[in-house]
Amino acid sequence: KAGVTQTPRYLIKTRGQQVTLSCSPISGHRSVSWYQQTPGQGLQFLFEYFSETQRNKGNFPGRFSGRQFSNSRSEMNVSTLELGDSALYLCASSNKGSALSYNEQFFGPGTRLTVL
Amino acid sequence: QQQVKQSPQSLIVQKGGISIINCAYENTAFDYFPWYQQFPGKGPALLIAIRPDVSEKKEGRFTISFNKSAKQFSLHIMDSQPGDSATYFCAAGGGATNKLIFGTGTLLAVQP
Repeated sequence: KAGVTQTPRYLIKTRGQQVTLSCSPISGHRSVSWYQQTPGQGLQFLFEYFSETQRNKGNFPGRFSGRQFSNSRSEMNVSTLELGDSALYLCASSNKGSALSYNEQFFGPGTRLTVL
Repeated sequence: QQQVKQSPQSLIVQKGGISIINCAYENTAFDYFPWYQQFPGKGPALLIAIRPDVSEKKEGRFTISFNKSAKQFSLHIMDSQPGDSATYFCAAGGGATNKLIFGTGTLLAVQP
């Protein structure tokens, strides 16, 4: 099975711009979660999508948004970029459906976003 | 109540030694405790995970010890190898979603 793929792998933007990151989950996985990883804050949960619906959201400003398509692929958008948004953005997929199953998550390689 | 505290921040171990990383959580609703290993330039990879109904789980050289009453869990790496040098994250999750709360990470260096 192919793993989680993320595109692009690297991105350089300037302040004020917006960016869209893409994530393709493992085939058959319906849940996609996004995390921001920075040296100072570690991995911070952004949001999770399951069957095209946002199921949970972390403590990030409204500039961070996402969506999921019917094929489970997900996109994350950040508008009005700030210097502090520079980070590794990780996507993780899971086949967890109900609360009774293990929520084993598989991470992609991430997109390294640099905001200048 | 959502925090997961991880220690130490960094660890240096000699080849063949035992590496021990500790985590503590607060939210008793957590019911899933994974450990992830991350190499530079890569995403985290699931190493081993445990549910609170068992006190220990072993997979090869990696063991999770879980103390439900103390709300603590730890990762033991036996016979540590230079190839184990990476950053290790503990995490906690549970309930109806896949949200994981991560510890701050431990940078492990295994010296040959």
